[in-house]
Formats: sequence, C-alpha cells, structure tokens
Amino acid sequence: DAGVIQSPRHEVTEMGQEVTLRCKPISGHNSLFWYRQTMMRGLELLIYFNNNVPIDDSGMPEDRFSAKMPNASFSTLKIQPSEPRDSAVYFCASSPTGPPYNEQFFGPGTRLTVL
Amino acid sequence: AQSVAQPEDQVNVAEGNPLTVKCTYSVSGNPYLFWYVQYPNRGLQFLLKYITGDNLVKGSYGFEAEFNKSQTSFHLKKPSALVSDSALYFCAVRDLTGGGNKLTFGTGTQLKVEL
Repeated sequence: DAGVIQSPRHEVTEMGQEVTLRCKPISGHNSLFWYRQTMMRGLELLIYFNNNVPIDDSGMPEDRFSAKMPNASFSTLKIQPSEPRDSAVYFCASSPTGPPYNEQFFGPGTRLTVL
Repeated sequence: AQSVAQPEDQVNVAEGNPLTVKCTYSVSGNPYLFWYVQYPNRGLQFLLKYITGDNLVKGSYGFEAEFNKSQTSFHLKKPSALVSDSALYFCAVRDLTGGGNKLTFGTGTQLKVEL
C-alpha cells in the first residue's frame, strides 16, 4: 500500500492567490482528516469526513478555507484568498471507521508558504 | 471533553539511558490512548495504542507505554535510548464526541538523545 498521498509536497504562493491541496487516502479507509501544523499553534484538526461526508469542520479557521471529498479516494483543501498567516504544514490522514481504537495514518504533508 | 497533556516541551537523555515521555489524560468513559512520533519533515507515525487489558503496551522501535488508571497517565518509555529516537512525540486520545472518530493530540514533546 502506498500510504496516504498528498500533493504538492511544497507550495509557494503570493498573498491573495488560491491554493488547492490534494489528498488520496489509503484504499478502504472511510475517515479522512485535514490537520495544520505550525510552531505557534501546534497540530490542529481542521476538518474530518466519514464516508465522504463532513462531520466536524469546527477547526476550519474562516470562510477562506473549504474542503471537499467528492469520492472515497480524493479530497481537497482550498484556501481562497491565501494570506501569509496560512503558512504552515498541512497534513492529511485517514483511518478505517468502526472500532474507536483505530489509529490514523498520516501523509507526508504539504508545506505551504504564502508570501 | 477528552484531552491529553504533555507537561514537558523537551526531554533530553543520553544514548543508552532509559527514556520517559510523559502524558496525562482526561476522559469520560473508557480511554483509547495513542502515541505518535514525528521525524523532521515527515508526517506523524503511529507507535502504539492502549485499548484495554494489559497496562503495559508494546509498540514499534522498542517503545512501550504504561497505562495507569489511578494516575490518569500514559507515559511512553524505552529501556535504552538511541540517537535516532530524537524526534517530536505526540500523545493522543480518542474523542468520542461528534461521531467519535477523531483524535485529540497533545502539544508534543521534543525528545533529544545525545551521545
């Protein structure tokens, strides 16, 4: 299994531009999570999906952020317009649903720099 | 709400010495506890988990964790540290609210193993 795949691995953009981050979860996993990691705020859960349906988006910082999961094998996190304070590493993770002790599997992350 | 606390931002230990990374938890109901490790420029990797049963849980890379219900702790341990163990360690607890499939992470502890 290839694990969780994220693209791009690095993104540098200018303030005001639209940014789209992509994630392919592990096949068969029904839950998908988007996290953001910064030195100041640590690891934050932004949103998570069960069976392609958003369950909890309380961590999404503001309306500039949106996430979609059109099918079981693909999700996007979009920032429009981007701001310098959005600079962070964004992780996608997936896990099987069912028993509550299933661990999450993380992707390698996308390092976003907004100038 | 479920939560975990990692009281130490950094732990330093000499190679060959035992290491302990501390974690305490606060949950209602049965705790499902996890440890993850993050190496530089990488995503989080699952180390081990406690579900029920034996209080000593063994995981990857020689790590183990001891679940202590009376002290509400789940400390990560290793009998003999290696320089290659230097990384950021996260404790997490399964959050059973809102669908029950997300993890709440601690703030992380930076482990530095020196020669």
